[in-house]
Amino acid sequence: SQELEQSPQSLIVQEGKNLTINCTSSKTLYGLYWYKQKYGEGLIFLMMLQKGGEEKSHEKITAKLDEKKQQSSLHITASQPSHAGIYLCGAHRMDSNYQLIWGAGTKLIIKP
Amino acid sequence: DAGITQSPRHKVTETGTPVTLRCHQTENHRYMYWYRQDPGHGLRLIHYSYGVKDTDKGEVSDGYSVSRSKTEDFLLTLESATSSQTSVYFCAISERPRTGYNSPLHFGNGTRLTVT
Repeated sequence: SQELEQSPQSLIVQEGKNLTINCTSSKTLYGLYWYKQKYGEGLIFLMMLQKGGEEKSHEKITAKLDEKKQQSSLHITASQPSHAGIYLCGAHRMDSNYQLIWGAGTKLIIKP
Repeated sequence: DAGITQSPRHKVTETGTPVTLRCHQTENHRYMYWYRQDPGHGLRLIHYSYGVKDTDKGEVSDGYSVSRSKTEDFLLTLESATSSQTSVYFCAISERPRTGYNSPLHFGNGTRLTVT
């Protein structure tokens, strides 16, 4: 099982609608990264959250880390076709400087 | 975009043959990583490097070896390819090893390897 659980696994959203993707751990997260992956391409860094309660935004994408640092959400407002892809969350393990743990990803499809 | 080039982008090879994948960076970052991505497993770390000639194993290192003779190049070798090593392989780089230093990973575009 994944140490980071992402939900939903896939999502089909009408263009213009809002959506939320979640990333949950049973343990405290030490740095939480959100990435986007387009089909057949590498991962593009979106945002990093470190502190409990932290929230960051970039264009129409907002990411939050809860106060307990065990859950993060990624919210997209007024979705566009360019938002389609796979969203992955990753986080540092407490016991390793180098190894990140990763969610399995959420596949987002935007319907025109 | 971070200057990371992976080669080849696609490769088909036969079981039992050795395969080498190359990652080349132009960012002069100290830390480099090899991941594999498989459906249902997400990203899994194979090996990483924290400097020239300094490498260590990740969580799925069996059957793989790496070398880093220059800052800019990190090679991943499958010593004797097996069908279970069919995957998409990603190279990543970072300036610093750990969160807290605001140093995210930057990824290459991946190599799709098929072992028949």
